[in-house]
Amino acid sequence: GAGVSQTPSNKVTEKGKYVELRCDPISGHTALYWYRQSLGQGPEFLIYFQGTGAADDSGLPNDRFFAVRPEGSVSTLKIQRTERGDSAVYLCASSRGGDTDTQYFGPGTRLTVL
Amino acid sequence: AQKITQTQPGMFVQEKEAVTLDCTYDTSDPSYGLFWYKQPSSGEMIFLIYQGSYDQQNATEGRYSLNFQKARKSANLVISASQLGDSAMYFCAMRERGTNAGKSTFGDGTTLTVKP
Repeated sequence: GAGVSQTPSNKVTEKGKYVELRCDPISGHTALYWYRQSLGQGPEFLIYFQGTGAADDSGLPNDRFFAVRPEGSVSTLKIQRTERGDSAVYLCASSRGGDTDTQYFGPGTRLTVL
Repeated sequence: AQKITQTQPGMFVQEKEAVTLDCTYDTSDPSYGLFWYKQPSSGEMIFLIYQGSYDQQNATEGRYSLNFQKARKSANLVISASQLGDSAMYFCAMRERGTNAGKSTFGDGTTLTVKP
């Protein structure tokens, strides 16, 4: 497909477990972003990649959260020792790479921590 | 710090009428972009319209237009001829060019309901 894809669409896990969320951006987009959206709120910035490197990870809430983009395309958001407060929809977006270029979002992964 | 304020948690509009969704922003960066997204109940964020801080004219995209008032730091979305399919959550967002370049800051959204 031509859009941003995310897998899985839903993930249910138990408190304390490790999870990985995957994002496949639009082909040719050099910039990739992760956001977290809680119910009734707007998306909250987590991390931004330009190519393979994290250009800004200031939104990661703590060191349990980590993201990689080893080949400059697919990215994985990793959450260690999950907590119930991590439950949210995790959105990925990509853009061509300019500072104010439009970000195109994927369908999101709904994470539920029991 | 960059901030987006959407003061209308919920709005109702009659089908075929126009509606304005409010957005005000705060930034110290002279160069920035303003965006509106639609999020239906399915959850996907759909890009609607973009306005650059240096654009002289208000942006338009089909039935969507952005009423950009730079001095007032407002970027209201106008939807003309509302349709039932316009019922959704609408988010205003901003991206700066300076030290916060890359990340978008979103408002808390406005839920629009179109009545038949």
